[in-house]
Amino acid sequence: DSGVTQTPKHLITATGQRVTLRCSPRSGDLSVYWYQQSLDQGLQFLIQYYNGEERAKGNILERFSAQQFPDLHSELNLSSLELGDSALYFCASSVEVANEQFFGPGTRLTVL
Amino acid sequence: AQKVTQAQTEISVVEKEDVTLDCVYETRDTTYYLFWYKQPPSGELVFLIRRNSFDEQNEISGRYSWNFQKSTSSFNFTITASQVVDSAVYFCALNNAGNMLTFGGGTRLMVKP
Repeated sequence: DSGVTQTPKHLITATGQRVTLRCSPRSGDLSVYWYQQSLDQGLQFLIQYYNGEERAKGNILERFSAQQFPDLHSELNLSSLELGDSALYFCASSVEVANEQFFGPGTRLTVL
Repeated sequence: AQKVTQAQTEISVVEKEDVTLDCVYETRDTTYYLFWYKQPPSGELVFLIRRNSFDEQNEISGRYSWNFQKSTSSFNFTITASQVVDSAVYFCALNNAGNMLTFGGGTRLMVKP
């Protein structure tokens, strides 16, 4: 158990819908990262927050957004969902940006 | 730009064999960090090791060992006396002291009894 929690574990929804994925980092970790794992794209970095502020953006679509709250938990919002958004979404946390990142169990999103 | 290449997409071995997973990276930075993660069939990503670019010492942890060679930009991972429980997808990753991990494509290791 990495100490990072993610909910829900599975999510099935329809095209055009909006979903919110939630992540709680390990106790004491200020940095939260979101990654997407799909068969065709592999593991890709989406976005990072550090102590409530956006720190870096990767290959994140405009339809996707995220935030980190004062209690350090983070949410990833995915809207206008398309079939291609079906993937495993991981949240990770670390103490500082260059430290090892510990990953949550992931949320498997299926868009039908 | 950073890049991590794991040329071996799939490896199959018989239990107790030694196996080496290759990782080659590209970066222009002089300070960077290398990682290995394990993804078992259950799907979670498990951290195995972190190495910084200034420390080329090899590391051994039980049956696992890592060989970091800056001259060839490689960070290879060896499992000695493999076991069925080692079956998983293994990812090599690079962080250039920025924010994101750049992952390789992964190597699926199958250990047969």
